[in-house]
Amino acid sequence: TQLLEQSPQFLSIQEGENLTVYCNSSSVFSSLQWYRQEPGEGPVLLVTVVTGGEVKKLKRLTFQFGDARKDSSLHITAAQTGDTGLYLCAPRMDRKLIWGLGTSLAVNP
Amino acid sequence: DARVTQTPRHKVTEMGQEVTMRCQPILGHNTVFWYRQTMMQGLELLAYFRNRAPLDDSGMPKDRFSAEMPDATLATLKIQPSEPRDSAVYFCASGLRGSVNTGELFFGEGSRLTVL
Repeated sequence: TQLLEQSPQFLSIQEGENLTVYCNSSSVFSSLQWYRQEPGEGPVLLVTVVTGGEVKKLKRLTFQFGDARKDSSLHITAAQTGDTGLYLCAPRMDRKLIWGLGTSLAVNP
Repeated sequence: DARVTQTPRHKVTEMGQEVTMRCQPILGHNTVFWYRQTMMQGLELLAYFRNRAPLDDSGMPKDRFSAEMPDATLATLKIQPSEPRDSAVYFCASGLRGSVNTGELFFGEGSRLTVL
């Protein structure tokens, strides 16, 4: 049984479109991080959310932590080609980071 | 510009050979992690050090893998003997053990290992 599920697994869209990716679990987390990984690079932290229901914005990216701290979403408005990459959800449980398989996003010009 | 440095970036070797990967964490960071990334499994934690002491290596195959921190500026991951199923990208990450809930990890660029 997979502890953490990210969806969709793959997403290919045109520049200018909006999109939402999801991170779901049946477990409760103390906090949750989102990372973006570009080809040939290591993951880079985008945001950390700690409080249930918390919403954080990073330019065109909006992150939400579920009220029950079991899930999270990432919404991108007016996607750009520079948003292309693997988006990884990493919640913290029992003082350890749990990693999802990620959503691979391709934004086409 | 502080960053985690990993060597080699790419390694191709034959089954049975020894492989050593090296990592220089960001100066001042007191936690170091080794991860392995594959398409099927994603990021898997292999080893975790805090203040150079190994705290968790439960994800590491003990018969062939070993991880050490001989000093604060160097972490090593060794595979002996290597097998084709070890082919993956190996990442080193470092961080500061501040708040348990909000610690950021800084990743290196990874070492891509291919075992033939």
